[in-house]
Amino acid sequence: GAGVSQSPRYKVAKRGQDVALRCDPISGHVSLFWYQQALGQGPEFLTYFQNEAQLDKSGLPSDRFFAERPEGSVSTLKIQRTQQEDSAVYLCASSPRDRGRSGNQPQHFGDGTRLSIL
Amino acid sequence: GENVEQHPSTLSVQEGDSAVIKCTYSDSASNYFPWYKQELGKRPQLIIDIRSNVGEKKDQRIAVTLNKTAKHFSLHITETQPEDSAVYFCAASAIGGSQGNLIFGKGTKLSVKP
Repeated sequence: GAGVSQSPRYKVAKRGQDVALRCDPISGHVSLFWYQQALGQGPEFLTYFQNEAQLDKSGLPSDRFFAERPEGSVSTLKIQRTQQEDSAVYLCASSPRDRGRSGNQPQHFGDGTRLSIL
Repeated sequence: GENVEQHPSTLSVQEGDSAVIKCTYSDSASNYFPWYKQELGKRPQLIIDIRSNVGEKKDQRIAVTLNKTAKHFSLHITETQPEDSAVYFCAASAIGGSQGNLIFGKGTKLSVKP
C-alpha cells in the first residue's frame, strides 16, 4: 500500500472489555513501532518490532497491553480489561530499516485508532 | 532517559510572517531530530529532519537548526500560509537499542491568520 494503514479508525468499548487494534505497515518495512497519544500530548513509545521479533516493550503501561507481529508484516495491539485511562489515539509507524543501523530512518505514521473507553 | 521540551505550546501569526518553534533535549547521545506536522484527526507527517552532523537544513519555506552544544533545535517557517496551521511536534532519538525510539515534545499549535 501507499502508506501505513490502521483499523479501526474509531473504537468505543465499555470498561473491562478487550480490544484489538490493527496496523498494516508499508510493504517491506522492517521496523514497526506503536505509540500512544493522549489528547493534547505528543506520541509516547509503547513497543518496537524488528520483523516478527518484539525487541522492546519497555513502553507498555501494564501487562494488560500485548502486541504481536507474527509474520513480520501486520501487527496487532491488544488491550485486555480496558480502563478509562486507556482512552487515547494509538499510532503505528514503520521504517524501512532496523533502528540499530547507523543513520536513523524516518518513521512513517498511520492515521491512528481513536480508542474511547466508557 | 531522553526528555524533550518544546516551546511555545501555542503560536499565532499573521499570514506571511515567520514562525519559530524551539525544542531542547537532555540526552547528549541523541543524534536524529525530526519534525512532524499533525492536522486535527490526521497522522503525524514528517516535514523535515536533521542529523547531528549537520547544523542547519532547509527545504523551501521550512528550515531546522541544531545546536549540539546547547542541546537545542528549532523549526523556522517563513512566509506562513493558512494551510500551515496545525500542531507541530519535535522529536529526538539516538542510534541503536532502545534509543532508536522517538521521544516527542508536547507539541505547538500554530495558527496562521489570513
